[in-house]
Amino acid sequence: DTGVSQDPRHKITKRGQNVTFRCDPISEHNRLYWYRQTLGQGPEFLTYFQNEAQLEKSRLLSDRFSAERPKGSFSTLEIQRTEQGDSAMYLCASSRPREGPDTQYFGPGTRLTVL
Amino acid sequence: GQSLEQPSEVTAVEGAIVQINCTYQTSGFYGLSWYQQHDGGAPTFLSYNALDGLEETGRFSSFLSRSDSYGYLLLQELQMKDSASYFCAVKGNTPLVFGKGTRLSVIA
Repeated sequence: DTGVSQDPRHKITKRGQNVTFRCDPISEHNRLYWYRQTLGQGPEFLTYFQNEAQLEKSRLLSDRFSAERPKGSFSTLEIQRTEQGDSAMYLCASSRPREGPDTQYFGPGTRLTVL
Repeated sequence: GQSLEQPSEVTAVEGAIVQINCTYQTSGFYGLSWYQQHDGGAPTFLSYNALDGLEETGRFSSFLSRSDSYGYLLLQELQMKDSASYFCAVKGNTPLVFGKGTRLSVIA
């Protein structure tokens, strides 16, 4: 069990550019979640997958955000035409059914800075 | 909608006991979770309560009262390494919704 990994750990980009983040969940976990966290706030839910199916997206998720989990293993989160307000820590988490969706294992996050 | 309220900051002395409260409003309720996050680190799962009562895991305990929409995290025998942010999170009709977190500072 190597834990949830995320890549890159840090990303600095210019406003208007597209960025893509990757998350590799714990191998036997079928649920994968994306969150965004800003300073002094709790993680804010963005979207989640069960296997390869994207089951829910936050209403806060604009059309510039898209996530995929094509083979039910790793996932990618893409942000198009980045804005300064997108600067945040993007966290990925995974869970397995017998532990319930409340027991989530988080990765170290990708810190995005939009200049 | 869903909302959670928890104190923004708590300070306690090493070796003491501290209680972090959480009240919530949610449409549908399945359980209340607690997560710990050190500065620069990822949130780490601590506990989960689906039913009323106290759940104990080592130095940490978590309590839930569904009728009061209230829970708390109890940390005993505080250690310096317990200095971190603690988040309550509620599972309702949507995936987990987190509170804004309570920053715990443990002082000598």
